[in-house]
Amino acid sequence: DGGITQSPKYLFRKEGQNVTLSCEQNLNHDAMYWYRQDPGQGLRLIYYSQIVNDFQKGDIAEGYSVSREKKESFPLTVTSAQKNPTAFYLCASERGDRGSGANVLTFGAGSRLTVL
Amino acid sequence: SQQGEEDPQALSIQEGENATMNCSYKTSINNLQWYRQNSGRGLVHLILIRSNEREKHSGRLRVTLDTSKKSSSLLITASRAADTASYFCATDARAAGNKLTFGGGTRVLVKP
Repeated sequence: DGGITQSPKYLFRKEGQNVTLSCEQNLNHDAMYWYRQDPGQGLRLIYYSQIVNDFQKGDIAEGYSVSREKKESFPLTVTSAQKNPTAFYLCASERGDRGSGANVLTFGAGSRLTVL
Repeated sequence: SQQGEEDPQALSIQEGENATMNCSYKTSINNLQWYRQNSGRGLVHLILIRSNEREKHSGRLRVTLDTSKKSSSLLITASRAADTASYFCATDARAAGNKLTFGGGTRVLVKP
């Protein structure tokens, strides 16, 4: 079955440590996204990538970094510069069909990061 | 700031009743989508309505769009306990670089 796999599902981090969240998709989608969700809140865009080897900052990119070396993979690193990293992180992909306006996102199951 | 704002923030209904939630947005859109999120899980796409459409149905879901009022509604008919989830609207707008912008969501509890 095609889909998006995020790992780990739960992650604990000590202050000052960098952590990397994995996101892999086998949907052959061009665009991939990282969102942050805080309790009872909506989603805020961290970074997105529309093509391999290219990515753009979203609304809350400070303290995060990404790479897009392969179409299937879009890992997110939460750096020690992120002041309040405890949150639920969601990865999504989108098929590149903008001509029809069908920009539907497929989400992974999420990774919950807790800073101790 | 968020493009879409859902109302109400939370909704509690009995099984079999209808659930209605609304979404308001600020700028012109290409399309508006509704997603569902079960607790602690990822979002699942429910339905997309384009800016030139006024109503769309999918199973027990009915979505309306009023571009003059910049608002949309999602109706779930004959709700079931399994419909308990958070529901988010997301707008695709040129002003946001054609990226989806999500609202804060409506938490729906369907009591058996």
